[in-house]
Amino acid sequence: GQNIDQPTEMTATEGAIVQINCTYQTSGFNGLFWYQQHAGEAPTFLSYNVLDGLEEKGRFSSFLSRSKGYSYLLLKELQMKDSASYLCAVTSTDKLIFGTGTRLQVFP
Amino acid sequence: DAGVIQSPRHEVTEMGQEVTLRCKPISGHDYLFWYRQTMMRGLELLIYFNNNVPIDDSGMPEDRFSAKMPNASFSTLKIQPSEPRDSAVYFCASSPAGGVFSGANVLTFGAGSRLTVL
Repeated sequence: GQNIDQPTEMTATEGAIVQINCTYQTSGFNGLFWYQQHAGEAPTFLSYNVLDGLEEKGRFSSFLSRSKGYSYLLLKELQMKDSASYLCAVTSTDKLIFGTGTRLQVFP
Repeated sequence: DAGVIQSPRHEVTEMGQEVTLRCKPISGHDYLFWYRQTMMRGLELLIYFNNNVPIDDSGMPEDRFSAKMPNASFSTLKIQPSEPRDSAVYFCASSPAGGVFSGANVLTFGAGSRLTVL
């Protein structure tokens, strides 16, 4: 079966750096996604990792260790608009399975 | 492209009534997925289609739930009869092709249908 774990909530201060962790167990793994979801809106794609290592995209970076079943999303220079839920999702054959998400609140 | 289009955006109904949610995927996308999101369980995959054919419906909670995709541009998720525990946001999503997700083969979500069953 599949199992994805993320912290439920995190808080941080504007301008700071925050790391959101995700651990997973799944069969047929073909990559890991991070999605951002603002309250009342649809999830939107942030990043994709299939190989071990760090992928950087502007203020956001995502890391993957396949052997450890571990990923993190790193958000730098936090802004108020980064307050949202961050969903870790792993591929399982043709499916994308989501974790329950981490709700991030950014304070001034 | 207008993206994935879902209707209705909000639905309030009474227990026992039939509910039909609709989805128009992005043109040219071969895969269509129905998810349900609640605070307790997060985003759960209900069923997905490839080229209009249901591939995996193992996430459909009960026989009260059914989904169809009569053509490449339309899908429905039906709940009959509805119950209060079905209250959730139902998302439809589509992806281009290939069966294997990648950075270029990304799942795109519709705005969701918020269902409240009283």
